[in-house]
Amino acid sequence: GEDVEQSLFLSVREGDSSVINCTYTDSSSTYLYWYKQEPGAGLQLLTYIFSNMDMKQDQRLTVLLNKKDKHLSLRIADTQTGDSAIYFCAEIVHNDMRFGAGTRLTVKP
Amino acid sequence: DTEVTQTPKHLVMGMTNKKSLKCEQHMGHRAMYWYKQKAKKPPELMFVYSYEKLSINESVPSRFSPECPNSSLLNLHLHALQPEDSALYLCASSQENSRAALYPDTQYFGPGTRLTVL
Repeated sequence: GEDVEQSLFLSVREGDSSVINCTYTDSSSTYLYWYKQEPGAGLQLLTYIFSNMDMKQDQRLTVLLNKKDKHLSLRIADTQTGDSAIYFCAEIVHNDMRFGAGTRLTVKP
Repeated sequence: DTEVTQTPKHLVMGMTNKKSLKCEQHMGHRAMYWYKQKAKKPPELMFVYSYEKLSINESVPSRFSPECPNSSLLNLHLHALQPEDSALYLCASSQENSRAALYPDTQYFGPGTRLTVL
């Protein structure tokens, strides 16, 4: 079947904005999530967006949703070295949760 | 206390063994989750419990048997596993909300149990 797609790698300089993109599979997805996983650490639910919203902002994080293109993005403002991690997007369709492969964000000083 | 604890941290077992993974939280959360994450792969949701009742089973093989004996504890009983079941097993909890447990507002994850099946 179709996969939730993400670019595998992103590298930015400290202080710049990062934009992590995700293409999901099903237009009937109700909730879309972003998770963060630091090296050797557990998972962290960062934020989510409901499908009737276009945008959600939470401090340095901005989630944009384009339902027509089934495209989700996570923008991190003023990226810090502590933001270096793998970021997973996930969709929920019919009681099934599907994760993307994850984007490894590297923040260079 | 915003901690989810998991024991053991590491587990090595043979294919004929029976073992259990444990997860505990004392935040009063009524939704608890098991995820499996193979090396360099995304997590996969396995089970969701809501108010101690199994609400989601993502077609997981019967050699994995979850149990929620009370609102603070979640177990995963393992029997006759295969080497391909070697993975990091993550537990999480969340506050129940007006939606189903599958749609958490926040989630707290444990550090995981790294399982190796020989």
